[in-house]
Amino acid sequence: GQQLNQSPQSMFIQEGEDVSMNCTSSSIFNTWLWYKQDPGEGPVLLIALYKAGELTSNGRLTAQFGITRKDSFLNISASIPSDVGIYFCAGDKYGGATNKLIFGTGTLLAVQP
Amino acid sequence: DAGVTQSPTHLIKTRGQQVTLRCSPKSGHDTVSWYQQALGQGPQFIFQYYEEEERQRGNFPDRFSGHQFPNYSSELNVNALLLGDSALYLCASSSDRSHQPQHFGDGTRLSIL
Repeated sequence: GQQLNQSPQSMFIQEGEDVSMNCTSSSIFNTWLWYKQDPGEGPVLLIALYKAGELTSNGRLTAQFGITRKDSFLNISASIPSDVGIYFCAGDKYGGATNKLIFGTGTLLAVQP
Repeated sequence: DAGVTQSPTHLIKTRGQQVTLRCSPKSGHDTVSWYQQALGQGPQFIFQYYEEEERQRGNFPDRFSGHQFPNYSSELNVNALLLGDSALYLCASSSDRSHQPQHFGDGTRLSIL
C-alpha cells in the first residue's frame, strides 16, 4: 500500500538535544498529522495541521504544514527520555483528518539520558 | 472520558479460520476506521464506517468485512485467515460534525499459526 516517505528512519540522540524529522509525498494532502507510537500501544495524536504554511506547537513539539502541501516537518526541542518511540506522519487528501489516512514509514527515536 | 477501546488485546488463530475484532469509539465520535499494521511498518487503511455503512475502503480483499452498530461501535471480520494476516489491527474514531481528528485504540495483536 501507499506510504509517505519519512526521514530519518532512526535517530539516536542525547537527552537535551533538539530533533527534526520530515515527511514527503509525491501528491498533495489537505491535512497532515503527527502521531507517536510506543511499543504495544496504538498511535497517539500529537499535532494536527489543517492549512498550508501552518505552524503549530504542542509543548516542546512544533510541526509545520509545507506550503506545497506535499510535506510536513516535526521538531522536538530539549528531548527527554520519555520522547523515545516511533513517530509517524499521516496525510488526509480530502482534509479534516477524518478520512482515510496514509501513513509514513516512521522515524524511530532513541534518547540516551 | 474513555478513549477508543478494542477487544480482545491478543488473539491466536490458525490458517483458514475466521476472526471478529471489536471497537468502541471515543465518546462523541461517530466514525470508525480500521487499519492493519504489520511489524515495522506504518498502519494501512482497511475501511471506514459512518452511519452504519462502509464509506471508504482501502486495497484489502473482500475477506475483510465490517459492521457498525447504532451505538457507533464497530466490528472487523476476517475470513479464511492467511499467515500474512498476522498484524496489529488498529481502530480509530473521529467525528466529522465536531471536526475531531482520528484517535486510535491500542489495537488487537492477531497471530496466525
